[in-house]
Amino acid sequence: QLQLQESGPGLVKPSETLSLACTVSGDPVSGSRYHWGWIRLPPGKGLEWIGTISSTGSTYYNPSLKSRLTLHVDTSKKQFSLKLYSVTAADTALYYCARHILGGIYPDMIDNWGQGTLVTVSS
Amino acid sequence: QSVVTQPPSASGTPGQRVTISCSGGSSNIESNYVYWYQQLPGTAPRLLIFRNDQRSSGVPDRFSGSKTSLAISGLRSEDEAEYYCASWDDSLSAVVFGGGTKLTVL
Repeated sequence: QLQLQESGPGLVKPSETLSLACTVSGDPVSGSRYHWGWIRLPPGKGLEWIGTISSTGSTYYNPSLKSRLTLHVDTSKKQFSLKLYSVTAADTALYYCARHILGGIYPDMIDNWGQGTLVTVSS
Repeated sequence: QSVVTQPPSASGTPGQRVTISCSGGSSNIESNYVYWYQQLPGTAPRLLIFRNDQRSSGVPDRFSGSKTSLAISGLRSEDEAEYYCASWDDSLSAVVFGGGTKLTVL
């Protein structure tokens, strides 16, 4: 059974870089149907999709975050990661890693989620 | 402001049928699949409905979906949760979520 586990610091200073990793167990990371992505839930708000990366490194990014965002995948370690640069308090959120599947042409279906990790941006 | 919209809240009494709407435009739900996610308090979201109307594994048949709404019949207290619709947006090349609907079972 697929399991996803987020890891990374829970506190990041403003203007610094938020770095999170997600470790995948129970299923391979490679496979053309699968993409690996991130979604966040800011306090008091709704879900916000961050972006996805395929096992071959193809990416889709939320346009509002694209200039500050890098996703990376390491199939040998069964991990994928997120770097969000120049963070502000608005980036404070519960961050989920997730598996996306090609529901049609695009990786639009999110079928498995990690438990989430809270990241607070504060000095 | 999300390109996909949902009512912020909905409510019903046990046993009732409730419907949650999801609206968007030609670049998202009108031309792509719609998905529904349920987020119970303190837990991660889970896939409820995929490809418009297909129930995910383990989801009771009290839940049914369409491109524009999620219906829950025989409402139970354990259905109290936040519900999100989502779709792919061709113009943004991105997954877009609705703002979420908080369902209260009275």
